[in-house]
Amino acid sequence: QSALTQPRSVSGSPGQSVTISCTGTSSDVGGFNYVSWYQQHPGKAPKLMIYDVSKRPSGVPDRFSGSKSGNTASLTISGLQAEDEADYYCCSYARIYTVVFGGGTKVTVL
Amino acid sequence: QVQLQQWGAGLLKPSETLSLTCAVYGGSFSDYYWSWIRQPPGKGLEWIGEIDHSGSTNYNPSLKSRVTISVDTSKNQFSLKLSSVTAADTAVYYCGRRGVGATFYMDVWGKGTTVTVSS
Repeated sequence: QSALTQPRSVSGSPGQSVTISCTGTSSDVGGFNYVSWYQQHPGKAPKLMIYDVSKRPSGVPDRFSGSKSGNTASLTISGLQAEDEADYYCCSYARIYTVVFGGGTKVTVL
Repeated sequence: QVQLQQWGAGLLKPSETLSLTCAVYGGSFSDYYWSWIRQPPGKGLEWIGEIDHSGSTNYNPSLKSRVTISVDTSKNQFSLKLSSVTAADTAVYYCGRRGVGATFYMDVWGKGTTVTVSS
């Protein structure tokens, strides 16, 4: 059970869009529509932003969207805002009732 | 509104057993799986395992030999024990809630407990 692969960092100016990729295998990301994304600000607990690949929990701005193609899932933040600067983690179901996280991506708002 | 409050020893010596507890306030206890996740300093999240109200557990294969998760339904609490700790187990430990059935995401998290392993 290896960690999912995410870029270490992405950046964008306010108002721009950024996309974070999350690459796994057919045993996790590619095999199931159970990818979730979490936002984590420094010193805080993670917050659920996207679940089941593309669904948003109540209260999460629609600037956040998720998608998946093959073994790679993506999180897109449109209309980037200063408060979006944080670490983002993907997570996927990985068979036999286990889940695996990605290594995390730091989003910087320039 | 569901809240998770967690506590436990924050400083351990190598070879000791880590012990943490998470209490669930508000909402149903029996309709969810209750999880533990950890985050080493400056690193990513790692899923440790989970338990439901009946005591059914699922563990990360890489930690399974050292992990025990238990539940006390009379107190709406669940606990984590990790044996034979080393410096590599130094991390912030979070408890979290996952829905039963085909839901594999944590929608409620505790604030985290910092555990340091040092001689």
